[in-house]
Amino acid sequence: DAGVIQSPRHEVTEMGQEVTLRCKPISGHNSLFWYRQTMMRGLELLIYFNNNVPIDDSGMPEDRFSAKMPNASFSTLKIQPSEPRDSAVYFCASSARGGLLAGGRYEQYFGPGTRLTVT
Amino acid sequence: AQSVSQHNHHVILSEAASLELGCNYSYGGTVNLFWYVQYPGQHLQLLLKYFSGDPLVKGIKGFEAEFIKSKFSFNLRKPSVQWSDTAEYFCAVNTGGFKTIFGAGTRLFVKA
Repeated sequence: DAGVIQSPRHEVTEMGQEVTLRCKPISGHNSLFWYRQTMMRGLELLIYFNNNVPIDDSGMPEDRFSAKMPNASFSTLKIQPSEPRDSAVYFCASSARGGLLAGGRYEQYFGPGTRLTVT
Repeated sequence: AQSVSQHNHHVILSEAASLELGCNYSYGGTVNLFWYVQYPGQHLQLLLKYFSGDPLVKGIKGFEAEFIKSKFSFNLRKPSVQWSDTAEYFCAVNTGGFKTIFGAGTRLFVKA
């Protein structure tokens, strides 16, 4: 298996521009998570999906952030408009058989991350 | 709300020294526990996990962790560290739902 795939790996953009990060989870996994990692705040959970449905987006910092999962093999995280404080590494992770019935026993598999720099 | 506390933010050791990283969580019920490692410039990957049974869990690369229910702890250990263990280590807890709570991480630097 190719693992979790994220694109782009690096993104440099100017303040005010729209940024779209992409994620392909591991085939067969039904839970998907978006995280943001910075030196100051560590690893923050932004949003997670189960069976393509957003379950909890309370970690999304502002309305400028939005995430979608149109099907089981693709998710996007969009920032519009972007700001310098959004600069971070954004990780996508997927988990097999996630959800209440699974009892939380399945580990998350992380993608390589997208390093976003907003100037 | 559930939380995970990692006591040390930065640890510096010499090669061959023993390692113990502390992790405590706040939840009174059944928990699923994980340690993840993030090598420089890489993504997080699973080091070991505990769900039930023997509270002493062995993982990859010689790491182990012990679940002590009475102390709400899941400390990570390695008898003899190597330079290649330089990384950031995250403790994580799942209480049976969708969400896994990650600790703030401990950065380990091993001097050659």
